[in-house]
Amino acid sequence: EPEVTQTPSHQVTQMGQEVILRCVPISNHLYFYWYRQILGQKVEFLVSFYNNEISEKSEIFDDQFSVERPDGSNFTLKIRSTKLEDSAMYFCASRFDRMNTGELFFGEGSRLTVL
Amino acid sequence: GESVGLHLPTLSVQEGDNSIINCAYSNSASDYFIWYKQESGKGPQFIIDIRSNMDKRQGQRVTVLLNKTVKHLSLQIAATQPGDSAVYFCAETPNTNAGKSTFGDGTTLTVKP
Repeated sequence: EPEVTQTPSHQVTQMGQEVILRCVPISNHLYFYWYRQILGQKVEFLVSFYNNEISEKSEIFDDQFSVERPDGSNFTLKIRSTKLEDSAMYFCASRFDRMNTGELFFGEGSRLTVL
Repeated sequence: GESVGLHLPTLSVQEGDNSIINCAYSNSASDYFIWYKQESGKGPQFIIDIRSNMDKRQGQRVTVLLNKTVKHLSLQIAATQPGDSAVYFCAETPNTNAGKSTFGDGTTLTVKP
């Protein structure tokens, strides 16, 4: 069964360092998303991406965040200068959208720990 | 064991009982609602969805009920099994961005053998 894959599964970094989280969405999907989940809290939308551009972003997704689809398969989230409060689980998701449903296929997440 | 009406952060049931997990949503313009299951250390997994023009939808062992008047969603799990133990989130989605979901507070379901 096709799945969304994410790397790394866990990254530990020092405050102020840049981090890149990588995702390979399901191959025929057209819409890509990043969500985050701080430990014990609800899942929060960060950004949606379609046709090589951001279609919507949340207040959380400020100037230190960026997304990119550098090739036909990868979808990355970059955090330019990490802060302690960026520590969270980051989930990549994708969907196909022919039926305009909101069902998202999530990866297993990348845990980011900022020290 | 069942819980109806109020959202509870945790729910504990005996194996074989029915479970009811509740959720209140905030945006009356939401077009589409999804229940996700999240097991420990994993990403959310789709369970069942419902459009705003419906009030009930059934899947295998699961039923979702939508009450738009009071902006309330519930997930019923029949004959709950130990493998159903997880955190359950409802999510609402606007018709302007079908993948942008606003997740509710989760409910941790524990199934006792």
